[in-house]
Amino acid sequence: GENVEQHPSTLSVQEGDSAVIKCTYSDSASNYFPWYKQELGKRPQLIIDIRSNVGEKKDQRIAVTLNKTAKHFSLHITETQPEDSAVYFCAARAGTALIFGKGTTLSVSS
Amino acid sequence: DAGVIQSPRHEVTEMGQEVTLRCKPISGHNSLFWYRQTMMRGLELLIYFNNNVPIDDSGMPEDRFSAKMPNASFSTLKIQPSEPRDSAVYFCASSGTSWGSQETQYFGPGTRLLVL
Repeated sequence: GENVEQHPSTLSVQEGDSAVIKCTYSDSASNYFPWYKQELGKRPQLIIDIRSNVGEKKDQRIAVTLNKTAKHFSLHITETQPEDSAVYFCAARAGTALIFGKGTTLSVSS
Repeated sequence: DAGVIQSPRHEVTEMGQEVTLRCKPISGHNSLFWYRQTMMRGLELLIYFNNNVPIDDSGMPEDRFSAKMPNASFSTLKIQPSEPRDSAVYFCASSGTSWGSQETQYFGPGTRLLVL
């Protein structure tokens, strides 16, 4: 089955810096890669996703890149702000179920 | 739409008691997922249903756990008997299908379970 590895587990940046979170997946049949943000005590919420027929997608300060050959995808957050502090999860889907990475705790200090 | 609805939001029970968690998916969604989240194990998929039929329950940890989806608007996750190691946040999520492709999963607010 699918296995998703996520790095780093924690990431601390200064406000205004960029943050990059990387994930690798094992199942070459995976075709959908969402990223979720989870604030403390809240539910995971989708922030951006990418499908296997696209290499990059941007939404304001957030971008995701996908390298199907290497089976890895990354989340890029530019101009980080304190409200970006949260746990970020990557996921990969082959079929119906999403398999999640273990999460990255991002801390943005002002 | 109210989104995915879960109840109760918090549950405190004693070891050995039966616990039932409830979920109402987003109207029109045909897939429903139950996840468990802990600090140690992260977000784990327990079971998912498609058109009310259980598709994969390989994530269900033990026979103490069971899930049902009697209709398109309701699902339950039951733990009997409960144990302290079952303490976690349990999320329900749902997704629909568009053009034959599964769409985004939307999570409910979760049920925070504490077994004493």
